[in-house]
Amino acid sequence: EAQVTQNPRYLITVTGKKLTVTCSQNMNHEYMSWYRQDPGLGLRQIYYSMNVEVTDKGDVPEGYKVSRKEKRNFPLILESPSPNQTSLYFCASSLAGGIPRSIFGPGTRLTVL
Amino acid sequence: DAKTTQPNSMESNEEEPVHLPCNHSTISGTDYIHWYRQLPSQGPEYVIHGLTSNVNNRMASLAIAEDRKSSTLILHRATLRDAAVYYCILGNSGGSNYKLTFGKGTLLTVNP
Repeated sequence: EAQVTQNPRYLITVTGKKLTVTCSQNMNHEYMSWYRQDPGLGLRQIYYSMNVEVTDKGDVPEGYKVSRKEKRNFPLILESPSPNQTSLYFCASSLAGGIPRSIFGPGTRLTVL
Repeated sequence: DAKTTQPNSMESNEEEPVHLPCNHSTISGTDYIHWYRQLPSQGPEYVIHGLTSNVNNRMASLAIAEDRKSSTLILHRATLRDAAVYYCILGNSGGSNYKLTFGKGTLLTVNP
């Protein structure tokens, strides 16, 4: 089944403790991105990647890092999480070119205490 | 990014058609109109997209005004499983970032 998977689905952590949220897709998509969803603010793009080793900032990149060493994986790294990064995170992927149809993962609910 | 305007919420009865409007008066000539929906506790899901002509797929129909300043997503027979937030988004195929700029969307409630 074509899908985007994220792990973990739920995470409670403390301020300053580094964490990684993994994202993997099995559709050979070139384009991957991360969004966060907050009440009243909607979904906002954090980072995106056009292909392996090509990443760039979205609208709210501060406090986050990403890497794209393999086409299928696009992990989101929080080096020193803070409470304002408590949010619902979604990974998405799509083919590059044409009119992309983004496939979203199921989401990761992160709480930073 | 060009902006879209949608009603905050709409209500429908099961088995009846639903027409979800979207205004996008500043749409550019190369902007496609995309619709996504987000069911409770899930990630957004692609529904349909179009440029100028009306479009149909297994999920819905998209009716685009002749001047392209508005569009309507049509669910022909709403089911309880269609209860979701529906997002109307503008985007084009050019550029390197296929960012989807989500607004607040329309919360659709379907009554049994």
